[in-house]
Amino acid sequence: ETGVTQSPTHLIKTRGQQVTLRCSSQSGHNTVSWYQQALGQGPQFIFQYYREEENGRGNFPPRFSGLQFPNYSSELNVNALELDDSALYLCASSLLGWGIDTQYFGPGTRLTVL
Amino acid sequence: SQKIEQNSEALNIQEGKTATLTCNYTNYSPAYLQWYRQDPGRGPVFLLLIRENEKEKRKERLKVTFDTTLKQSLFHITASQPADSATYLCALVDRGSTLGRLYFGRGTQLTVWP
Repeated sequence: ETGVTQSPTHLIKTRGQQVTLRCSSQSGHNTVSWYQQALGQGPQFIFQYYREEENGRGNFPPRFSGLQFPNYSSELNVNALELDDSALYLCASSLLGWGIDTQYFGPGTRLTVL
Repeated sequence: SQKIEQNSEALNIQEGKTATLTCNYTNYSPAYLQWYRQDPGRGPVFLLLIRENEKEKRKERLKVTFDTTLKQSLFHITASQPADSATYLCALVDRGSTLGRLYFGRGTQLTVWP
């Protein structure tokens, strides 16, 4: 167990809706990253937060947004859902977010968009 | 374009043999290369990290090599067991990228049969 939890486990939404996914990082970890993993693919970096500020973003549109809270929890929000947003969404926490830091992944939230 | 390729989608070997997985990259300058294990419906679990100036790293039955000239990493599992069956992902941290951002390959699904 990595000590990183995510909720919900599974979620079904329809196109055009909005969704909020939640992550609870390991205590003391100041960095959280979010990844999208489509079926049969490797995870793709969405963005990273360090001490409640976004400090890096991948090639995802602005309808993907996030928040990080002082209590080591964070959220990923996706607006105007599209069919291609169906994927496993992973959060990963690390101490400082540096390249050498071990990233601890949560179990993921499986999002299905119909 | 940038690519991370893992040798094959699936690898089947007999228990007790050595499994060798390959990760090749193009148009990256990795500062670190990491290997993860992912079980179905679960998040990736960190296994090993190797730095750009290291040639080899070992941990119990696992060994990783890194050749920056060939732009390749090899991941070996010796004395493989059925419990080693999983998808193995290679990921790198690029020197020119956001701190800690991981770029993943698609993974190799390893099956170890008795």
